[in-house]
Amino acid sequence: KNQVEQSPQSLIILEGKNCTLQCNYTVSPFSNLRWYKQDTGRGPVSLTIMTFSENTKSNGRYTATLDADTKQSSLHITASQLSDSASYICVVTPTGGGNKLTFGTGTQLKVEL
Amino acid sequence: KAGVTQTPRYLIKTRGQQVTLSCSPISGHRSVSWYQQTPGQGLQFLFEYFSETQRNKGNFPGRFSGRQFSNSRSEMNVSTLELGDSALYLCASSLNGPNTEAFFGQGTRLTVV
Repeated sequence: KNQVEQSPQSLIILEGKNCTLQCNYTVSPFSNLRWYKQDTGRGPVSLTIMTFSENTKSNGRYTATLDADTKQSSLHITASQLSDSASYICVVTPTGGGNKLTFGTGTQLKVEL
Repeated sequence: KAGVTQTPRYLIKTRGQQVTLSCSPISGHRSVSWYQQTPGQGLQFLFEYFSETQRNKGNFPGRFSGRQFSNSRSEMNVSTLELGDSALYLCASSLNGPNTEAFFGQGTRLTVV
């Protein structure tokens, strides 16, 4: 079983709408939780990084939340744009693991007109 | 400043051959990590190098190896290629420490035929 599970697997929304992506993890203890955006055929780009003691982090239209008690994180995208179409990946860094990142399987988001 | 550079971008090899991929990190970054991305398994950690030493290792066979040079550039080698090694290979560089941001390169798309 993957230590980082994401839902939904894929999502289609209309431009201008908001959406929320979910991440459940079992990695413990962990140093931080990150969200990345990956366009097809390109490397992932960091959106947010939260340490275990942080509850929320924003980056423009992207807001990530973290509940360490329930081991859940969410990524909220506001006023979606066509350029938001990509895979969104939740990543957890285990404590003591250096940069040994544990990746979720991703949510494929498509924004349509 | 220049981002993470991976070469080559695309590569086609035959089963049984070996391949070497290169990664030049962002100037000043001393940590370089390598990841394999396939449609079925998602992103998986291969290994991390810091100051020319392998600091972490994932669960890949010994055919996968790497090294880091004094200028922090890193190479990854795969020997006796198998069809299943076809994947996007990504490297990421960071300053140091588990909470520093990891910047990914564009990746090398390896196809084994």
